[in-house]
Amino acid sequence: DSGVTQTPKHLITATGQRVTLRCSPRSGDLSVYWYQQSLDQGLQFLIHYYNGEERAKGNILERFSAQQFPDLHSELNLSSLELGDSALYFCASSVDYQGGSGNTQYFGPGTRLTVL
Amino acid sequence: AQTVTQSQPEMSVQEAETVTLSCTYDTSESDYYLFWYKQPPSRQMILVIRQEAYKQQNATENRFSVNFQKAAKSFSLKISDSQLGDAAMYFCAYRRAPHDKIIFGKGTRLHILP
Repeated sequence: DSGVTQTPKHLITATGQRVTLRCSPRSGDLSVYWYQQSLDQGLQFLIHYYNGEERAKGNILERFSAQQFPDLHSELNLSSLELGDSALYFCASSVDYQGGSGNTQYFGPGTRLTVL
Repeated sequence: AQTVTQSQPEMSVQEAETVTLSCTYDTSESDYYLFWYKQPPSRQMILVIRQEAYKQQNATENRFSVNFQKAAKSFSLKISDSQLGDAAMYFCAYRRAPHDKIIFGKGTRLHILP
């Protein structure tokens, strides 16, 4: 158990809909990262939040957005869903300091999104 | 741009034997971090081992060890005494610095033969 929690585990929805994925980082971790794992694209970085502020964006579609709340949990919002958005979405947390385990990202169990 | 390459999409090893998974990466940085993550059928991403580039000594974690060749930009994972529970997809990963994203290779699926 990494200490990172994600809900829900599975999500089935229809095209055009909007969903919200939730992530709670490990206790003490200020950074949350979101990744998408699909069969054709592999594991891709989406976005990074640190202590409530957006720090970096990767290959995140404009239909997707995220935020990190004062209690450090994060939500990834996916809207106008398309078939191609079906994937496993991971969040990872890290303390993000130099050296030792501070540079390691610990992953949650993921949310499997199926768009029909 | 940094890239991570795993040239072996699939590998098989007999239980109790030793297997080595290959990984190469490309970066112009001198300090960075390398990882191996394991993804079993449950799809959980589990950290296996990490290596800081400034450390010359190869990291080891029980039956798992790495061969880090900085000049060659190579980072292979050796699994000794393979067990059935080692069957999984293994991802080699690179991180430039804290507060930076992880870049993953495409993975190597490891089969353990009883």
